[in-house]
Amino acid sequence: RKEVEQDPGPFNVPEGATVAFNCTYSNSASQSFFWYRQDCRKEPKLLMSVYSSGNEDGRFTAQLNRASQYISLLIRDSKLSDSATYLCVVKGGYSSASKIIFGSGTRLSIRP
Amino acid sequence: DGGITQSPKYLFRKEGQNVTLSCEQNLNHDAMYWYRQDPGQGLRLIYYSQIVNDFQKGDIAEGYSVSREKKESFPLTVTSAQKNPTAFYLCASSSASGGQETQYFGPGTRLLVL
Repeated sequence: RKEVEQDPGPFNVPEGATVAFNCTYSNSASQSFFWYRQDCRKEPKLLMSVYSSGNEDGRFTAQLNRASQYISLLIRDSKLSDSATYLCVVKGGYSSASKIIFGSGTRLSIRP
Repeated sequence: DGGITQSPKYLFRKEGQNVTLSCEQNLNHDAMYWYRQDPGQGLRLIYYSQIVNDFQKGDIAEGYSVSREKKESFPLTVTSAQKNPTAFYLCASSSASGGQETQYFGPGTRLLVL
């Protein structure tokens, strides 16, 4: 089993739709969680951190389920510009020495 | 503007040649990282450094070397021992202040073998 697993997609949804995808992790001791966005042939950019209580940033909502060991990302009212690959990142702890694992990413394509 | 720069954007390597990828940051971050990304795959850690003059191997360090003589700079050398170097190389940095500190990435270098 991979340490961090994501459905590779692609998710192909119409503009304005709501889309959600999950990321599962195997290390129950993991402490920090993030979602990054990566456009084609570009570097990953931080989308949002994921907090235990869940957090929202505009149209984006991230949630953490420690019992089932997954994090989720919900995008409401999707825009064409949301088309990208979304990477799940899991850290074993809070320090910079903590092991960081990147998921392989979920491709999202928004159609007009 | 604060950020991370990588150069060159594209790099071609001949068989048996060592090449060095540059990574510079002016964010005053203590920690720096090198990752490799292959098509359709996640990022894999090559080396990381938490402080000047110290660095640690990541998951796929074989065939690579690094140095950290200055806080701002963390160059990566791809040696001739790396048999499959064609990939997208990403440098990142983060503060070491603890908590939910995040990594910020440079624009990347695409390495191609001739």
